[in-house]
Amino acid sequence: DAKTTQPPSMDCAEGRAANLPCNHSTISGNEYVYWYRQIHSQGPQYIIHGLKNNETNEMASLIITEDRKSSTLILPHATLRDTAVYYCIVRASSNTGKLIFGQGTTLQVKP
Amino acid sequence: EPEVTQTPSHQVTQMGQEVILRCVPISNHLYFYWYRQILGQKVEFLVSFYNNEISEKSEIFDDQFSVERPDGSNFTLKIRSTKLEDSAMYFCASMAFLSSGNTIYFGEGSWLTVV
Repeated sequence: DAKTTQPPSMDCAEGRAANLPCNHSTISGNEYVYWYRQIHSQGPQYIIHGLKNNETNEMASLIITEDRKSSTLILPHATLRDTAVYYCIVRASSNTGKLIFGQGTTLQVKP
Repeated sequence: EPEVTQTPSHQVTQMGQEVILRCVPISNHLYFYWYRQILGQKVEFLVSFYNNEISEKSEIFDDQFSVERPDGSNFTLKIRSTKLEDSAMYFCASMAFLSSGNTIYFGEGSWLTVV
C-alpha cells in the first residue's frame, strides 16, 4: 500500500471549515484514497473515498490533486463533535481488501 | 443503517484465560476483519477472513489467536491463553465484496482488559 503523510495535529474554530491535508506521493493508478475518523477510541468511522475525481457526501468533501499525489478532506462547518483522529489511507486492489492505518491527524475543534 | 455489532463491549479476564469476542457483520457482507488498538497506539490489522478461511493475517495473529464463523451471522475472535499485552480494543469489520473502491465498516469495539 502507498504510504500517506499527515500532520499529527490541527486546530479548527467551531463553525469554520476544517481542511485536513494528506500526502500520498507514491500512489498508484488503481489505488483509492479513503478517509476514516475515530472519535475517542470508538470504532473507525468511514467518511469518504475517491480515486481521482473530487467527491462530496453529507459528511465531507474530498479534493484530490490532478497528479493524485495529495488530497484534502474538508469538513465544511466543523462542530465540537468533529474532534477526532482523522486517517487518510490509500488502498490498492488486493485479495483481502484490508486497510492499513497510520497515526492520523488529531483534529481539535475549539469553541 | 446496517452496522457491525460487537459483544461484549468490555471484558475483564485473568491472564491465561480464554476469551471469545463476538461480532455480527453487516448482513450480506462477505469479507470480515479483526483489528486491535492498544491504548494510545494506532489501529493494527490482525486478520482477514473470506469463504470460511483466513485470507491474510499479520505477525500479531499468532497461534494464540483463532477466528471462526460458526454460523451464518457471527464472526468470532478467540484468544486461547490471554497475556497482559493482549489488553486492547478489538474491532471487527466487514465489507460487502472485494473491490478497492468498496468500503470497510467497523464495529464499536470490544475493550479487553487482561489482569
